[in-house]
Amino acid sequence: SQKIEQNSEALNIQEGKTATLTCNYTNYSPAYLQWYRQDPGRGPVFLLLIRENEKEKRKERLKVTFDTTLKQSLFHITASQPADSATYLCALTPGGATNKLIFGTGTLLAVQP
Amino acid sequence: NAGVTQTPKFRILKIGQSMTLQCAQDMNHNYMYWYRQDPGMGLKLIYYSVGAGITDKGEVPNGYNVSRSTTEDFPLRLELAAPSQTSVYFCATLGGQRLYNEQFFGPGTRLTVL
Repeated sequence: SQKIEQNSEALNIQEGKTATLTCNYTNYSPAYLQWYRQDPGRGPVFLLLIRENEKEKRKERLKVTFDTTLKQSLFHITASQPADSATYLCALTPGGATNKLIFGTGTLLAVQP
Repeated sequence: NAGVTQTPKFRILKIGQSMTLQCAQDMNHNYMYWYRQDPGMGLKLIYYSVGAGITDKGEVPNGYNVSRSTTEDFPLRLELAAPSQTSVYFCATLGGQRLYNEQFFGPGTRLTVL
């Protein structure tokens, strides 16, 4: 069956450290993978997109990697701040159905001051 | 620009009642989506639309209906509310002309069916 999985346990880290979140998928051949941030009581907000032929994408303190062999994307936040505390969702665009997104369950990140 | 707006923000329904969740956008985006998000779960696609007059089912369409008469509006209808439809509902649009662009989400409607 097709699955997209994120660590369901909350990730707790100290301010200033690098947070690394994982997104694994099975039985998909995604053309694109996106990461969203969701704060409590709000809709998701787009952060980054990476294509299947890209290994890495950066935006300020954010970095995303995409390994189609391992079927995995890693999302890094460097020099983390308490304001980075939120739930982070990965979403993939299945190959051939490019007008839909399949979302993971999200990982809650808590950055302690 | 207001972006994507949803009304109401909260609603409590009794079993068997019906209601319409409203979604409006002012970004002139062709693609619009309805998702539901249950606690601790990811977003599940209910219905989507690629333009006015065109709609299609997503992953969990049972118990819902949609219409798209204009580019701006994409209402979601619940005809016979059931407790299983207790959830947070998000409307989203697809930005730009390229299908892999980002989606823009509304603030959500929290629905409880008792």
